[in-house]
Amino acid sequence: NAGVTQTPKFQVLKTGQSMTLQCAQDMNHNSMYWYRQDPGMGLRLIYYSASEGTTDKGEVPNGYNVSRLNKREFSLRLESAAPSQTSVYFCASRGQVYEQYFGPGTRLTVT
Amino acid sequence: ILNVEQSPQSLHVQEGDSTNFTCSFPSSNFYALHWYRWETAKSPEALFVMTLNGDEKKKGRISATLNTKEGYSYLYIKGSQPEDSATYLCAFIGTGTASKLTFGTGTRLQVTL
Repeated sequence: NAGVTQTPKFQVLKTGQSMTLQCAQDMNHNSMYWYRQDPGMGLRLIYYSASEGTTDKGEVPNGYNVSRLNKREFSLRLESAAPSQTSVYFCASRGQVYEQYFGPGTRLTVT
Repeated sequence: ILNVEQSPQSLHVQEGDSTNFTCSFPSSNFYALHWYRWETAKSPEALFVMTLNGDEKKKGRISATLNTKEGYSYLYIKGSQPEDSATYLCAFIGTGTASKLTFGTGTRLQVTL
């Protein structure tokens, strides 16, 4: 089992560019999450999907959109990147006792 | 926004020392408390999932306790080793929050020889 995979690992964007971060899990989990990690801020929830076909906003959703393509895949889209979106992005899926299984992260820099 | 606080922010101990850190969380509407270990350049990994007041969990030299009435959890490491160096995160889940976790900012532990 690969667990949770994310692509790309690194990305540099210019202000105003768009991109999609991809995430997939092979553990047959219903719930999936997108977090961002900033120094001194901890992990903050951007969006989550409790099940296929549903998505909900987390703590910091502005500037992002998500798609739960199927049970395996949950993508995060930045429509018009801003320097404030420079961060490390983690995708996660939720296990049976609500524990999170994290992907390896995407380090995004917006210049 | 829920307040989940961890202390200290960072800790530097010698190999063999025992140490502990604290996670404080809202004492109302408690559902679960998680501890994660996060090594540099890796992803967080779940250590413990705690749901009952008075819960004690243990994994090797690492253990955790939970007090839901007063809203705190302690993580203990006995006989710290360099490989214990990591950031330790706690995460709170409240009832009725649709399984959303609120993370603390973590305690960064460095163990030196």
